[in-house]
Amino acid sequence: DTAVSQTPKYLVTQMGNDKSIKCEQNLGHDTMYWYKQDSKKFLKIMFSYNNKELIINETVPNRFSPKSPDKAHLNLHINSLELGDSAVYFCASSLLEGGKDTQYFGPGTRLTVL
Amino acid sequence: AQSVTQLGSHVSVSEGALVLLRCNYSSSVPPYLFWYVQYPNQGLQLLLKYTTGATLVKGINGFEAEFKKSETSFHLTKPSAHMSDAAEYFCAVSDSGGYQKVTFGTGTKLQVIP
Repeated sequence: DTAVSQTPKYLVTQMGNDKSIKCEQNLGHDTMYWYKQDSKKFLKIMFSYNNKELIINETVPNRFSPKSPDKAHLNLHINSLELGDSAVYFCASSLLEGGKDTQYFGPGTRLTVL
Repeated sequence: AQSVTQLGSHVSVSEGALVLLRCNYSSSVPPYLFWYVQYPNQGLQLLLKYTTGATLVKGINGFEAEFKKSETSFHLTKPSAHMSDAAEYFCAVSDSGGYQKVTFGTGTKLQVIP
C-alpha cells in the first residue's frame, strides 16, 4: 500500500533515555514533517525537510534531532527524554506541487516517558 | 502569521441531524484551507481542502465546506450525521507561497447521539 508509515507505534521508556522514531513515505513526496500532538490534541509542527534539506525548524529543544537520509525517510531522534516529551508524534509528507501542499499523515507514535 | 480558531471543542448532534463545525482563519496572504479528521488512535485523514477556484468544496464522507473570504470562515458541514462520523476534526490553514507551514486549530470533538 502507498502510505506514510511510522515505527514504532507505541514507545514506553524511562526518563533520560535516548530513542528514535522512524518515518517512511512511498508516495513520491519531496517534503516530510514531524508534528507533536499533546494530551489536549493540539498539533504543533516541529520540523520539515524538503529533499533532505531542513526548511522548518520550530522552537524545539535541541534534544530533538531530525535526520533525513533520503527524501523518502525522516527519522526523529530524541536525547535525554523528559516527562514532558510524552505525546503522540506524527510524521507527514507532501508534494509541493503548485504550492498546494496537501499533507498526508502517518498513524502516529505514542511516546510515554516514565 | 497565520492562525485558525475552531469554535467549540465539543459538538454533539443526533444521528441524522445537520453537522456544523466552525472554523475561522487569519492569514496575511491568500490562504489554503483544510479539514482533517482523526479517528480514535489513528492519524489524520484529509477530508477536503480549498486552494483556489470554487468556494464550495466537497470532500469525502459527504462533508463539504465553504470558503467565505468576507467572514474569514471555512465551516464544515454535513447534512445528516452518521454514527461513524464521531471523531476529532481539525481545521488548518497554510499560506499560498514558498514552503508552506500548516497551522492547525485546536480541534473539535464530534459526538453523534443515536
